[in-house]
Amino acid sequence: EPEVTQTPSHQVTQMGQEVILRCVPISNHLYFYWYRQILGQKVEFLVSFYNNEISEKSEIFDDQFSVERPDGSNFTLKIRSTKLEDSAMYFCASKRQDTGELFFGEGSRLTVL
Amino acid sequence: QKEVEQDPGPLSVPEGAIVSLNCTYSNSAFQYFMWYRQYSRKGPELLMYTYSSGNKEDGRFTAQVDKSSKYISLFIRDSQPSDSATYLCAMSPGFLITQGGSEKLVFGKGTKLTVNP
Repeated sequence: EPEVTQTPSHQVTQMGQEVILRCVPISNHLYFYWYRQILGQKVEFLVSFYNNEISEKSEIFDDQFSVERPDGSNFTLKIRSTKLEDSAMYFCASKRQDTGELFFGEGSRLTVL
Repeated sequence: QKEVEQDPGPLSVPEGAIVSLNCTYSNSAFQYFMWYRQYSRKGPELLMYTYSSGNKEDGRFTAQVDKSSKYISLFIRDSQPSDSATYLCAMSPGFLITQGGSEKLVFGKGTKLTVNP
């Protein structure tokens, strides 16, 4: 069964460093998303992406964040200068167009020291 | 009032019990309702997906939506130890951003369920 894959599974970084999280959405999906979950808290929407542009973003998704689809398969989330409060699980998701179902990857755990 | 409220539990039941999980919400624009299962340090796994009010059944799982009460439920029949996980409700006004909807899924905090053998 097709699935959303994410790398790395865990990344440890120093505050102020740039981080890129990578995702390979399900191949025939057209809508892509990033969500995050701080330990013990709700899963929160960050951004949605369609047709090579951001279609919606939350107030969390400030200028430190960017997304890109550099080729036909990858979808990336970049955090320019990480802060301690960016420590969280970051989930990529893609949407099945005919049903609207959203499928999540296993997540990338980011730890900022 | 929070947009989506879900009792975090924890909820502990014996194997074979019927489990009832619930969420309430305040945004009357929500039309799409989902239940996800999340194992520890894993991604949310879609269990049930419903549009508007009504019931939907899939095997041992039944999802109910009552939009008039702004209340959704997930029932698990004949619960198994493998059902032990955190269950997240999630909802959205609609997926068609081009028609003025919102793509954003709003999640509940999750209910941690343990099914004891």
